[in-house]
Amino acid sequence: ETGVTQTPRHLVMGMTNKKSLKCEQHLGHNAMYWYKQSAKKPLELMFVYNFKEQTENNSVPSRFSPECPNSSHLFLHLHTLQPEDSALYLCASSLQTGAEAFFGQGTRLTVV
Amino acid sequence: DQQVKQNSPSLSVQEGRISILNCDYTNSMFDYFLWYKKYPAEGPTFLISISSIKDKNEDGRFTVFLNKSAKHLSLHIVPSQPGDSAVYFCAASEYNAGNMLTFGGGTRLMVKP
Repeated sequence: ETGVTQTPRHLVMGMTNKKSLKCEQHLGHNAMYWYKQSAKKPLELMFVYNFKEQTENNSVPSRFSPECPNSSHLFLHLHTLQPEDSALYLCASSLQTGAEAFFGQGTRLTVV
Repeated sequence: DQQVKQNSPSLSVQEGRISILNCDYTNSMFDYFLWYKKYPAEGPTFLISISSIKDKNEDGRFTVFLNKSAKHLSLHIVPSQPGDSAVYFCAASEYNAGNMLTFGGGTRLMVKP
């Protein structure tokens, strides 16, 4: 248990669906991240929030839309995804950017 | 272009022996390096880190070595235990670039009893 909780753990969605991934941490961390892990690829940083402000958008398509309502919660809104977006989506948090990140267990997303 | 590379996708070691996981990087501005361990169906967990001002950091059975001139770091696990079987990721960051972590592709370690 790392203190970072992601829901749901598994998600299957059609290409026309809209869904959201949720991440929650009560570690007092100020930075939160979304990562994508595809098969046989390194972890890819998608978005970074520092003190609720988005500081990094790593050229992510607009069909992925992050939201950080407060420093403890992070969402990833998904709409009109493609099958190639199927991957493990990991949320992480750290006290500040660059400090050791604590990861959630991930959401295994399958787009059909 | 991958700035952090783990060239061995898998490694098999006998219990009790040493496991050596390797990582190479290309960005000479990286100044902080980390190792993460990942079990199936779980997120990565932080294992050990090293700053570029050091060449070695030890924590129990885990030691990380950094060779800045070769842009190479390694993780030594001794003695290896079956519970160490997991995927190990190295990561690097640069203070002046916002400290974002860049991950390698991972090495799957299998420790045989």
